Amino acid sequence: QSALAQPASVSGSPGQSITISCTGTSSDVGGYKYVSWYQHNPGKAPKLMIYDVTKRPSGVSNRFSGSKSGNTASLTISGLQAEDEADYYCSSYTSISTLVFGAGTKVTVL
Amino acid sequence: QVHLVQSGAEVKKPGASVKVSCKASGYTFNNYDINWVRQAAGQGLEWLGWMNPYSGNTGYAQKFQGRLTMTRETSINTAYMELSSLRSEDTAVYYCARMFGHYGSSGYGAFDIWGQGTMITVSS
Repeated sequence: QSALAQPASVSGSPGQSITISCTGTSSDVGGYKYVSWYQHNPGKAPKLMIYDVTKRPSGVSNRFSGSKSGNTASLTISGLQAEDEADYYCSSYTSISTLVFGAGTKVTVL
Repeated sequence: QVHLVQSGAEVKKPGASVKVSCKASGYTFNNYDINWVRQAAGQGLEWLGWMNPYSGNTGYAQKFQGRLTMTRETSINTAYMELSSLRSEDTAVYYCARMFGHYGSSGYGAFDIWGQGTMITVSS
């Protein structure tokens, strides 16, 4: 199972909105509602930001939102802040009952 | 508070096996699948597999079939991940993580609680 495709890097200025894409196939992203997004800072454990494509866990800022169209899921960060600088990974359930992560996107706040 | 606490870093020689533990606290261990994820230096997250602590049922990524084993000891709320026939490419930080949903319900495939990570180095 190959990693889901994500842009290697995305950047934005404070206050701007950015969107990270996560492209798979009909056998994973396109076929299921089980898409999640994680924020990962070096040396720390990943943090769940979005699950079930659009849902936010308790405690996660509403500046983070998720969506999906066809085989591509997206994470949007609005009102970008310096603390949002991190690596972001999507993940999806697959048709062979496994999970697959995206390749990861480094978000830089300019 | 809900926690997953992993065992410490290990250095292994190529061909050896390693077993990492993941002790759960603050919730009912049997009620949530434990998954394992790893990250090699400079690489992305990679899913290894899952285990249901109640039944002991497991599912592994195809890449690790035959050399990955996940087990548990319910009396001490601990999950284990054993990887055999180690090679240098297995050098990575290994995480255990709790999947908070069940198939067909909200949160399936989502990991809400993570261990602190265990560095496994494979070197001759």
